[in-house]
Amino acid sequence: DVKVTQSSRYLVKRTGEKVFLECVQDMDHENMFWYRQDPGLGLRLIYFSYDVKMKEKGDIPEGYSVSREKKERFSLILESASTNQTSMYLCASTVGQYYEQYFGPGTRLTVT
Amino acid sequence: LAKTTQPISMDSYEGQEVNITCSHNNIATNDYITWYQQFPSQGPRFIIQGYKTKVTNEVASLFIPADRKSSTLSLPRVSLSDTAVYYCLVGAPPLSGGSYIPTFGRGTSLIVHP
Repeated sequence: DVKVTQSSRYLVKRTGEKVFLECVQDMDHENMFWYRQDPGLGLRLIYFSYDVKMKEKGDIPEGYSVSREKKERFSLILESASTNQTSMYLCASTVGQYYEQYFGPGTRLTVT
Repeated sequence: LAKTTQPISMDSYEGQEVNITCSHNNIATNDYITWYQQFPSQGPRFIIQGYKTKVTNEVASLFIPADRKSSTLSLPRVSLSDTAVYYCLVGAPPLSGGSYIPTFGRGTSLIVHP
């Protein structure tokens, strides 16, 4: 089975802190994605990567950056966390852009 | 990227067949249609994908008319455990001329009653 793991299920950070969210997949997938999910807004794509060291902006990249140094790992970085970044963050991977996406369990981030 | 429109919510009862329709009027020639299911506090899970006509697997069926401007996800004989949010996505891999950005939208919240 494909496994996508995220570093934390729950995270509480203070405004202004630098936050790292880690995602690891074990199926040698080329493509990885970061989404955030908020009530009533569905899933919104933040960034995605289709290869090591490659990244593309999604719909809402502002306030975020990403890093993909190894194929299996895709990190989401909040340079200076703000309260409006309180959300559920979901990581996914797939062998192709619109093939089956496999999601991690999510990280619920609270910024106070 | 083709935009999709789905009902915000639907209600059903155990044992009934549920059909959720997704509109995608500006679907491109290379685009595929993919449906996901999401339970509370979990990431979405792939259900089914199709390009035209009908696709069926052990979980659901997907009906796509000839003009491909809409699609219908059909869940046979739903149970309480089918209560979830269902998302319709339209797009294609970049190598086939599609867009990079998968868009989930708000989905359809299905509630199955006893």
